[in-house]
Amino acid sequence: GQSLEQPSEVTAVEGAIVQINCTYQTSGFYGLSWYQQHDGGAPTFLSYNALDGLEETGRFSSFLSRSDSYGYLLLQELQMKDSASYFCAVRDRDKIIFGKGTRLHILP
Amino acid sequence: DTGVSQDPRHKITKRGQNVTFRCDPISEHNRLYWYRQTLGQGPEFLTYFQNEAQLEKSRLLSDRFSAERPKGSFSTLEIQRTEQGDSAMYLCASSLSSDSYEQYFGPGTRLTVT
Repeated sequence: GQSLEQPSEVTAVEGAIVQINCTYQTSGFYGLSWYQQHDGGAPTFLSYNALDGLEETGRFSSFLSRSDSYGYLLLQELQMKDSASYFCAVRDRDKIIFGKGTRLHILP
Repeated sequence: DTGVSQDPRHKITKRGQNVTFRCDPISEHNRLYWYRQTLGQGPEFLTYFQNEAQLEKSRLLSDRFSAERPKGSFSTLEIQRTEQGDSAMYLCASSLSSDSYEQYFGPGTRLTVT
């Protein structure tokens, strides 16, 4: 079967750093993506890791360890606009399997 | 706006009726995907197209669901004999090619079956 596990909710303070973890079990694996979705909005692509290691894009970084079937999204210098749901997603050759998402609450 | 568009944005229908949704992908994108999303869940894969060919259909998709992409551009998703369990957000996404890892999502069509 295919499953992705991520925390359902995370709370952090504005200006702080937060890490959202994701573990996966899938029949095929070509890479791990992260998407952001604001309430009422469409998912938007944040990052992609095909190989082990850290990828940095501005305030966001994503990490992958294929041997551990584990990845995380790191958000730095949190801003109120970062309040959203974050989905890890496994690319299984031709399609993407999404996790259930982590709702990030940011306190002022 | 050159992003993915979907129409309608909202649809309310009575149980047993048929509904059809349309998706217009980014013009040069060969891949087109349909997802369903319910509250508190991630997008759930339904089906995808490479140009006009439908390459995979989720086992979760019953025979009441059908999708087409007749000319390799826009796509339609039809649900026949709707049920209350079909109420969800239906998302369309496109990507440039089979090697692309980034999908661009449309705003979705929210279906409510009463």
